[in-house]
Amino acid sequence: SAVISQKPSRDICQRGTSLTIQCQVDSQVTMMFWYRQQPGQSLTLIATANQGSEATYESGFVIDKFPISRPNLTFSTLTVSNMSPEDSSIYLCSVEAGVPNSYTFGSGTRLTVV
Amino acid sequence: GQQVMQIPQYQHVQEGEDFTTYCNSSTTLSNIQWYKQRPGGHPVFLIQLVKSGEVKKQKRLTFQFGEAKKNSSLHITATQTTDVGTYFCGIGANAGKSTFGDGTTLTVKP
Repeated sequence: SAVISQKPSRDICQRGTSLTIQCQVDSQVTMMFWYRQQPGQSLTLIATANQGSEATYESGFVIDKFPISRPNLTFSTLTVSNMSPEDSSIYLCSVEAGVPNSYTFGSGTRLTVV
Repeated sequence: GQQVMQIPQYQHVQEGEDFTTYCNSSTTLSNIQWYKQRPGGHPVFLIQLVKSGEVKKQKRLTFQFGEAKKNSSLHITATQTTDVGTYFCGIGANAGKSTFGDGTTLTVKP
């Protein structure tokens, strides 16, 4: 299955600033997914990143807050904009693994907003 | 969309004891996946179940999919300290999106 390189692994940011998270996949994939995992909780899908078109956002997530880029089939970025302490969370990218409906995850970005 | 309930939320066992986590849905599932997330780590895919009544084993781990395809379980026999982590079930959906259970966090006392 695909190998994902995600960075940064962690960051501490000031409120009001923005952070861009990058994911690089070692193979071409049609869709990439961005998840948020708040401390001690499950995974919540933020959006699906499609190459050549705008990302598709889930309910409760908007493009202005979480702009996504997908310039090619191996790379995507998620920006967390105008951050507040409530944005402190782990952000993970994922791609479909070799088995349909199963997913490989990046190592995650642990974000703390102060 | 489809929802899945996972229980228990936490399980603390003595090393050597067994452990089971359950995922239940009110609707019939086409498939279900299981993931393990070590403390400080990211979810790692373990297995997918597709067939009604399916049972799969990975060493000390046994995965079952209910006959009605509405529930699934992960059972660990004789837990070891390396089993600690949070176990999630995930259910597939259209357009490649998965919904995940809330997870069961397993701690093992040596």
